Amino acid sequence: RKEVEQDPGPFNVPEGATVAFNCTYSNSASQSFFWYRQDCRKEPKLLMSVYSSGNEDGRFTAQLNRASQYISLLIRDSKLSDSATYLCVVNRGRGSTLGRLYFGRGTQLTVWP
Amino acid sequence: SQTIHQWPATLVQPVGSPLSLECTVEGTSNPNLYWYRQAAGRGLQLLFYSVGIGQISSEVPQNLSASRPQDRQFILSSKKLLLSDSGFYLCAWSDRTPGGANVLTFGAGSRLTVL
Repeated sequence: RKEVEQDPGPFNVPEGATVAFNCTYSNSASQSFFWYRQDCRKEPKLLMSVYSSGNEDGRFTAQLNRASQYISLLIRDSKLSDSATYLCVVNRGRGSTLGRLYFGRGTQLTVWP
Repeated sequence: SQTIHQWPATLVQPVGSPLSLECTVEGTSNPNLYWYRQAAGRGLQLLFYSVGIGQISSEVPQNLSASRPQDRQFILSSKKLLLSDSGFYLCAWSDRTPGGANVLTFGAGSRLTVL
């Protein structure tokens, strides 16, 4: 079983739509969770951390369900500029001073006008 | 502010040739440094990480090696490239705090094609 599993998509949605991505992880000791965004042929960039109580950053909402080992990302009012691949990222264990992360393969999103 | 530089951006190399990719970080000291590879259609794979000068840990057996000759310099090398070494190589850094260690900032990447 892969450490982080995501639906690869692609998701093709019109501008203004709401879209949700899901991710599951296998390591129950994981403590830190993130969504990264990767544009085509570019490096990944941190989109947002995911907190236990859920968190929101503008049009983006992240949720964590530790019992089910499940993470989600909701994008409201999609923009053309949201087109990218979204990577679910999980750390490997309890907090330390070294970041050892599992990356999902990513979910591709295309927003069309 | 911190910046990370990685070069070359693109390279095409024949099988059996050597490789050297370089990464430097500015604006921070004593960072954790990482080399990842992203093969076509696959997720990011951690190749090496370093917590200090001369300290290198390898995640997977492979045809590559890494070195950290200075605090903010990380080099990825190979003596003889294989076709399977093709991919997008990404250097990253993070700080040492429990909260920041898991937040990676990536360089712009080096796209390697081995022919």
